[in-house]
Amino acid sequence: DGGITQSPKYLFRKEGQNVTLSCEQNLNHDAMYWYRQDPGQGLRLIYYSQIVNDFQKGDIAEGYSVSREKKESFPLTVTSAQKNPTAFYLCASSIIQGYSEAFFGQGTRLTVV
Amino acid sequence: GDSVTQMEGPVTLSEEAFLTINCTYTATGYPSLFWYVQYPGEGLQLLLKATKADDKGSNKGFEATYRKETTSFHLEKGSVQVSDSAVYFCALRDPWSGANSKLTFGKGITLSVRP
Repeated sequence: DGGITQSPKYLFRKEGQNVTLSCEQNLNHDAMYWYRQDPGQGLRLIYYSQIVNDFQKGDIAEGYSVSREKKESFPLTVTSAQKNPTAFYLCASSIIQGYSEAFFGQGTRLTVV
Repeated sequence: GDSVTQMEGPVTLSEEAFLTINCTYTATGYPSLFWYVQYPGEGLQLLLKATKADDKGSNKGFEATYRKETTSFHLEKGSVQVSDSAVYFCALRDPWSGANSKLTFGKGITLSVRP
């Protein structure tokens, strides 16, 4: 079945450690995105990529980094510079052109203690 | 820039009640409009969409009509069920904004349906 896989579903890390969230898609989509979700704040865009080896900052990129070495994969690293990393992180993908919707993974809940 | 505004929540209804969730938008071009639903602990699922003015999206008894004159895309359902309890997000995608792969979301609204 085609879709987006995020792993792990739950992640715990100590403060000051970097952590990488995985996102893989087999939909053959060119565009991929990372969103952060906090209660009452909706979804905020962290980074997005329209093509391999290229990506752009979203609205809240500080303290995060990404790579896009393969079309299928778009991992997100939450660095120690991110002040409030505890959140629900969602990865999505879409076709690059036109009016299409985005497809979402199941999310990763990151808790920093 | 692009923006989506949803009515404040949460919303609590009795089963079989009529549902309306308001959504208005601001965009520079001619966006596509979407409603997504999120069940507890899960990602977002597309509920319905409309790509041009006067289009009506519909799915699972939910409907929304793209109203360009009022820049709105209100979600309606004639008779809600307990299983409709979830968070609902309105979103737009505007290929004329310069970042044409980006979805812009509203803040979401939590719907609780009691038996």
